[in-house]
Amino acid sequence: QVQLVQSGAEVEKPGASVKVSCKASGYTFTDYYLHWVRQAPGQGLEWMGWINPKSGDTKYGQKFQDWVTMTRDMSISTGYMELKRLTSDDTAVYYCARETGGAVAYMDVWGTGTTVTVSS
Amino acid sequence: DIQMTQSPSSLSVSVGDRVFVTCRASQSISRYLNWYQQKPGKAPKLLISVASVLQGGVPSRFSGSGSGTDFTLTISSLQPEDLATYYCQQSYSIPRTFGQGTKVEIK
Repeated sequence: QVQLVQSGAEVEKPGASVKVSCKASGYTFTDYYLHWVRQAPGQGLEWMGWINPKSGDTKYGQKFQDWVTMTRDMSISTGYMELKRLTSDDTAVYYCARETGGAVAYMDVWGTGTTVTVSS
Repeated sequence: DIQMTQSPSSLSVSVGDRVFVTCRASQSISRYLNWYQQKPGKAPKLLISVASVLQGGVPSRFSGSGSGTDFTLTISSLQPEDLATYYCQQSYSIPRTFGQGTKVEIK
C-alpha cells in the first residue's frame, strides 16, 4: 500500500546536524511533491519546505532558508531533510508528506514521523 | 505569507453534538483549503480537500464548506473516536500555512 516510512528517533547535541529520511512505497515517487512539516511538543504544524522529486527543485520556508536542505535519491524513492546548527527549539516530530501538486493540492499521505530531540 | 486563523482553539462537547470549527484566511484562497485530523501521538490525516471534498473512508458526519476567506468544518454528530486536533491548511500558495489547530475534547 501507499506509505512513507521515516527513519528512527534521533538525539543530538546543540550545534549538531540531523538528517531524516523518508522512504516512499506503493506509488511512483516522482509523481508527487514531498513536503516536510514539523511539530514541536504540544504545538501545531509548521511547514518547512518541499522538494520536487522529479527535478530536485526545492522551496524552503523563509524561517528555514539558511539551515535546512532537502534532497532525494530517486533510485531508492527516498527523500531527505537535513537541519543544521540545531538548538533546543528544533526539538520536534518531523513529518514528510506527499502532495498531489497542481491546481488542486493536498497532503494525502503522511510519514510515520521522526522525533528529534536536541539536548546537551 | 497567508495567515490562517482557526476558532475556537479548543472545545469540549458531548457525544452526539454538532461541532463547528471555523478557519479564516488573511486573503482570498478561493477553495484551496484542506482539513486534517490529528489524533494524539499520530500523524495528521487528510479529511477534506478543496474546502468540501470528503476523502475516501472518512465518515459522512464530517463536512466542509466555504470559499474565499471563510471556511467551516462541521461534525454533524460527534463520536468518541473524533477526539483529536483539527487543522486547516491553505494550498493556494507557497509557503503552505496551517491554522493553529482546534482541539476537540469529549465531555
